[in-house]
Formats: sequence, C-alpha cells, structure tokens
Amino acid sequence: GAVVSQHPSRVICKSGTSVKIECRSLDFQATTMFWYRQFPKQSLMLMATSNEGSKATYEQGVEKDKFLINHASLTLSTLTVTSAHPEDSSFYICSAFPLSTGPNTEAFFGQGTRLTVV
Amino acid sequence: QKEVEQNSGPLSVPEGAIASLNCTYSDRGSQSFFWYRQYSGKSPELIMSIYSNGDKEDGRFTAQLNKASQYVSLLIRDSQPSDSATYLCAVKRSSYKLIFGSGTRLLVRP
Repeated sequence: GAVVSQHPSRVICKSGTSVKIECRSLDFQATTMFWYRQFPKQSLMLMATSNEGSKATYEQGVEKDKFLINHASLTLSTLTVTSAHPEDSSFYICSAFPLSTGPNTEAFFGQGTRLTVV
Repeated sequence: QKEVEQNSGPLSVPEGAIASLNCTYSDRGSQSFFWYRQYSGKSPELIMSIYSNGDKEDGRFTAQLNKASQYVSLLIRDSQPSDSATYLCAVKRSSYKLIFGSGTRLLVRP
C-alpha cells in the first residue's frame, strides 16, 4: 500500500525554539495533505489542510502564525511549530490522499511525531 | 453537537466475544465512512471503510452503515486480546477532510 513517511518520530525542544516536522508521500503524489494534533487520551483534531503551491487553510482556532505549513512539492509538506511552549507538546500526525483519488479512497497516515517542549 | 460522536468507553468484552462499536455523525451529506484502530503512541491504521447502506464484512470485522439514521457501527467477532486498542470512527467531507470521533477504547479480557 501507499506509504507516508513522517520525520522525526520524536523530538524534544526547549521552550521558545522552533521545530520542523516533515511529511513525505513515498510512492504517490499528493496535492493535499492534512495535519492533525492529538493530545493524550483525545482524538485526532484536524489542524490544517496543506495545499501544494498555495497557502494552507487552517481550522478554526488554530494559529496560522504559530503553525507554519509549507507544501513545496507534490510529495512533501512541512509543519513548523514556532516559538514552541509546553502546551504545544502533543502527537502530530500527517495524512495524504493520492493525487488521482476518488471520493472513496482511504487516507494514508504518517507514523506521527511526538513533540515534547521543556 | 460534535460532527462525529462515539462512546469513549472503555468497552470490556471477554476473549472470543463480539465487540460492538457505535458512531453517529451529524452531516447528512457525508458519503465515506471509516473505522481506524489506534494503539497507544501510534498512528491510526485503517480497519474498514464503508460507503453504501448495509453491511460490509472483512474477516472478523463487519461495518454497518445506516445513512437514514446517520449511524455507523463496527462489529468484531471472536475478539482477541490483541484487538485491545482505541477505535476511531471517521467521516470524510466532500473536501476530503477526515473528521474523527473521540474514539472508543476496547479492552478484550483473556
């Protein structure tokens, strides 16, 4: 099946620094990728839709200046958490649909990134 | 009202029993429905997808969809301890966004 690779799997950073998370589709192209955040014992909350060659669209309540998304190619989207604080500590997961997807196609998920801000 | 609702559980069943997981959704225009299994600290993995009213079976899993009632369920037959996980119901919008329920934690007792 299709593979989405997310890197790094774990990262610990100091408060106030920025962290970049990469999401790559390894064997298919994706004009759209999605970024989710999951706090402990909670579900996946959609943060934003990453659009290749254009600006990302953010869900209500998500700060676009804090969570910078870049979708520079059909196989790579990056999420940068800027000026991270301990409350940003969470599990971040990306997903993608193949370019030629129809409405009944499954999403493929990255392995997730566990971010801990100290 | 949440767009996708699930009972958080935990749902505890003995090994070999049938586990029944339920989900309701609010957007009547939704067309695609998915069940994911998630182990602690891991990404979700797809168990079943369903698009038409009725039942869909795959091995020990059966998904049921009733669009009139806006209801999706997942049955797991012959439950095994390895099935213990959180099960997430997801609904795909026309924009391809996947919206998840809060998940039901399943515990299968040996």
